[in-house]
Amino acid sequence: KAGVTQTPRYLIKTRGQQVTLSCSPISGHRSVSWYQQTPGQGLQFLFEYFSETQRNKGNFPGRFSGRQFSNSRSEMNVSTLELGDSALYLCASSLTGRAINEQFFGPGTRLTVL
Amino acid sequence: QKEVEQNSGPLSVPEGAIASLNCTYSDRVSQSFFWYRQYSGKSPELIMSIYSNGDKEDGRFTAQLNKASQYVSLLIRDSQPSDSATYLCAVNTGNQFYFGTGTSLTVIP
Repeated sequence: KAGVTQTPRYLIKTRGQQVTLSCSPISGHRSVSWYQQTPGQGLQFLFEYFSETQRNKGNFPGRFSGRQFSNSRSEMNVSTLELGDSALYLCASSLTGRAINEQFFGPGTRLTVL
Repeated sequence: QKEVEQNSGPLSVPEGAIASLNCTYSDRVSQSFFWYRQYSGKSPELIMSIYSNGDKEDGRFTAQLNKASQYVSLLIRDSQPSDSATYLCAVNTGNQFYFGTGTSLTVIP
């Protein structure tokens, strides 16, 4: 079974621009979660989608948004990029996201904001 | 109080020794528990999951869960230099996954 895939793997943007990241979950998985990882903050939860609906949301500003399509693929968008948005963005998929369901990570998208 | 707490380390052990990594969680309704390994510059990789009290063994790895004490641990036997990584503890409360900040492990040859 193919794992979680994320595109692009690397991205360089400038302040003020916007960016869209894509995630394809493991086949059959319907829950997709997004995380931001920085050296100082560790893994920070952004949001989770299940069946095209945002089910949980972390404590991030409205510049961070996401969506999920009917095939469970998900995208996240960051508008008006700031230097502090430079991070590794990780997508993780799970069958349902509920207890006993294991969550598997994609390789991540490394975003650098100049 | 954070949902999941880990000692950030760094933890150093000699090759062949047992590495012991610990994690505590705050939500008593937490239902499932996971350990991830993350090499520098890579994404987290699931290595163990445990759902009931007691020990679960998988090769050189043993996960231990004590729900009464809200404590989960990971033992790595016969530690190898390739085990050097950051280990993340994760908890699912039935509604969401929560991650600790990770413990950095270095295995010294």
